[in-house]
Parts: sequence; structure tokens; C-alpha cells
Amino acid sequence: NAGVTQTPKFQVLKTGQSMTLQCAQDMNHNSMYWYRQDPGMGLRLIYYSASEGTTDKGEVPNGYNVSRLNKREFSLRLESAAPSQTSVYFCASSPNLMTSNIQYFGAGTRLSVL
Amino acid sequence: KNEVEQSPQNLTAQEGEFITINCSYSVGISALHWLQQHPGGGIVSLFMLSSGKKKHGRLIATINIQEKHSSLHITASHPRDSAVYICAVIRSGGGADGLTFGKGTHLIIQP
Repeated sequence: NAGVTQTPKFQVLKTGQSMTLQCAQDMNHNSMYWYRQDPGMGLRLIYYSASEGTTDKGEVPNGYNVSRLNKREFSLRLESAAPSQTSVYFCASSPNLMTSNIQYFGAGTRLSVL
Repeated sequence: KNEVEQSPQNLTAQEGEFITINCSYSVGISALHWLQQHPGGGIVSLFMLSSGKKKHGRLIATINIQEKHSSLHITASHPRDSAVYICAVIRSGGGADGLTFGKGTHLIIQP
């Protein structure tokens, strides 16, 4: 089982460039999430999608947009990358909006913005 | 906002030692997660608990809701247990944005 698949695994961007991080899950989960992980800080929620067709802001949404393309796929877009967006990005999914569900994580995307 | 505090931040131990990682939180919660982040970066959920104790293999997680404290224990530790262990709490009444992560405990088990 693939679980949660993220692409790409690594990316280097120049300031001002745009890119989309892709995420897909094959577990028929309703809810999906995007987090960023920075040194010395815990994971922080960027955006989430409770179910197909809905998206909501998390703790740190500025500079990002998301699209829940269908039940399987949830993408994160950086329209104009900034050095402050250098981070490791994780996508996750859970059966439903987690108040009591375990989340399943992708392997992460390491992004550097120069 | 340091709603979730983990201790120690770093821990180095010898193979076979009993390991304890602590998590304290300052908010009302409905559940608490323990996650493991491998050296390669992947994150795996180990436990979710809202009361008492759970055991899986050599891993044991306990939670004391009144004291707002949870511990993760590893018995007979092994070098493959080397990883970052992350505590995360789900705030009572919170949705997806109700999940707050600790900064993690970096564990190294030496042979």
C-alpha cells in the first residue's frame, strides 16, 4: 500500500518562483492536511481539507494556496516563493477531520528557496 | 505559545536501557498522539490515547489527564529506536487546527 505519496521529494527555487507540491492518498480518507516543519519548532498546520470540496486555513496559511482536486489529491501552491518558506513540508490524511483519528503522513518535501 | 512541552530535548542512551520521554501540556485535550520521525524524515503515528495506558511491542504510552502529562517508554532500547519522538495534543473542541505539536525529543541509542 502506498499510503500518502508526496512529490517532489526535494526542490530548490529562486525567490519569486512558483511551484505546486502534490499529495495523494489511497486510503479513501476524507480529510487531508499540509504541515511545515522548521528547525526548533513543532509541525505547524498550513491548510487542511475536512472533506472533498472544502479547504480551511490553519496556523500559518500566508503565502500558500491549496486545492482539493478530488478525494485522493490535495495540492499546496506557492505563488511567489520567499526564503522564509524554506522548510520541510508534510502532507497527511485521516479518515475524518481529526479530533480522534490517527493521521498518516507522507515522506515529506524538502524545499529550499534561495 | 508553548502549549506542549517535551523533555528531554535530546537523549543519548546505551542499547538495552529503559527510556522515558515526557510530554506536558497546558490546555484541555480530547486526545494525545505520540509520533516517531525517522532519521530519513518519515513520520509514523505510534499511539493515540485519551486515558490510561497503551502498549505496542516495546513501546508503552501513558497519560494522566488530571496532571496534564504523558510519557512514552521504550523497554530494551535498540539502535533502531533512534529517532525524533513527537508528542501532539488535540485541544478539546478543536478541529484540524486543534492539533498542537511539541518540538520533539531527539533520541540516540548507541550500540
